[in-house]
Amino acid sequence: GDSVTQMEGPVTLSEEAFLTINCTYTATGYPSLFWYVQYPGEGLQLLLKATKADDKGSNKGFEATYRKETTSFHLEKGSVQVSDSAVYFCALSAGVQGAQKLVFGQGTRLTINP
Amino acid sequence: GAVVSQHPSWVICKSGTSVKIECRSLDFQATTMFWYRQFPKQSLMLMATSNEGSKATYEQGVEKDKFLINHASLTLSTLTVTSAHPEDSSFYICSAPDYEKLFFGSGTQLSVL
Repeated sequence: GDSVTQMEGPVTLSEEAFLTINCTYTATGYPSLFWYVQYPGEGLQLLLKATKADDKGSNKGFEATYRKETTSFHLEKGSVQVSDSAVYFCALSAGVQGAQKLVFGQGTRLTINP
Repeated sequence: GAVVSQHPSWVICKSGTSVKIECRSLDFQATTMFWYRQFPKQSLMLMATSNEGSKATYEQGVEKDKFLINHASLTLSTLTVTSAHPEDSSFYICSAPDYEKLFFGSGTQLSVL
């Protein structure tokens, strides 16, 4: 079945460092890909998405490119801030319910130190 | 954006008791809600799809008699973990779609002693 694998955390960086969180997937067909973020005490929020190969999703300085050849959707940010500390989930959706039925990775906890 | 409220955010209970978790869509109506479970260092796994006014749809391997879901109104779905055991200790999270976007509750950490 469909699955998502994320790089294991936790990840700790200093402010202004470059961030990469790896995400790879297996799926039949052509899924849509998502990154969700969960800040402390809050629900998951959609950070960015890409719906087809070579699409780049971006938001709040974060980017991820849908790479069909490597089945990857790595999350990157050039200069992280303390406020980016959160748990990040990579996810895919496939099938008739589309974005409503998601398959998640295990999440990566990111801590940014000032 | 839309808000989904989940309550309680954490609960500790004795083995054999039942625990109810509520999921409310605060400013929109949801005919469907989703319940997920996450064990430590594992993925968020979809448990079931809650349907307003009808039976929930459970994913393979999820015991419907143990995880009772009731979606009695367009803004409220509840998950009841019946006769909880320590292996049911987990993080439970609900979500509801508003148009094509999914909105999530903040989750419930259940610890069964």
